[in-house]
Amino acid sequence: DSGVTQTPKHLITATGQRVTLRCSPRSGDLSVYWYQQSLDQGLQFLIQYYNGEERAKGNILERFSAQQFPDLHSELNLSSLELGDSALYFCASSPTPGSGELFFGEGSRLTVL
Amino acid sequence: GESVGLHLPTLSVQEGDNSIINCAYSNSASDYFIWYKQESGKGPQFIIDIRSNMDKRQGQRVTVLLNKTVKHLSLQIAATQPGDSAVYFCAENMRDNNNDMRFGAGTRLTVKP
Repeated sequence: DSGVTQTPKHLITATGQRVTLRCSPRSGDLSVYWYQQSLDQGLQFLIQYYNGEERAKGNILERFSAQQFPDLHSELNLSSLELGDSALYFCASSPTPGSGELFFGEGSRLTVL
Repeated sequence: GESVGLHLPTLSVQEGDNSIINCAYSNSASDYFIWYKQESGKGPQFIIDIRSNMDKRQGQRVTVLLNKTVKHLSLQIAATQPGDSAVYFCAENMRDNNNDMRFGAGTRLTVKP
């Protein structure tokens, strides 16, 4: 158990819909990262937060947004969903950016029908 | 843009043999590298890391080698076991992009009994 909690574990929705994925980082970790993993693919970096502030942005679509709240949990919002958005979405946390290994949650599997 | 990549997408080895998984990186500003193991249905887990001021680091049955001259990273697994079957990712810490951790495409290791 990494200490990172992601909900929901599975989500099935239709094209055009909007979903919110939630992440609670490890206790004490201030940095949160979001990654997208399509079937049998690598981990695509989406966005990074540190202590509530956006710190780095990767290949995140404009239809996607995220935030980190004062209690350090983070949410990833995916809107106007398309079939190609079906993927595993991972959240990871670390004490600070560049402090070392990332601790990953179990992921949220999104299926868009 | 610069990214971490892997030479081989799949690797199949016999149980008991040694495995070598390779990774190429192109960002000369990266100063920290991690190997992760991802088992089916789970999030990536830390295996071993290495900083750019080192060229070799050993763990339990695993060794990471770093060749900064050719920007190459490898993971060696000794006496590979069936439990080692997984996808292995290398990741680099992008010091010049707010310590964003970028992942390669991954190599699927299959261990044959």
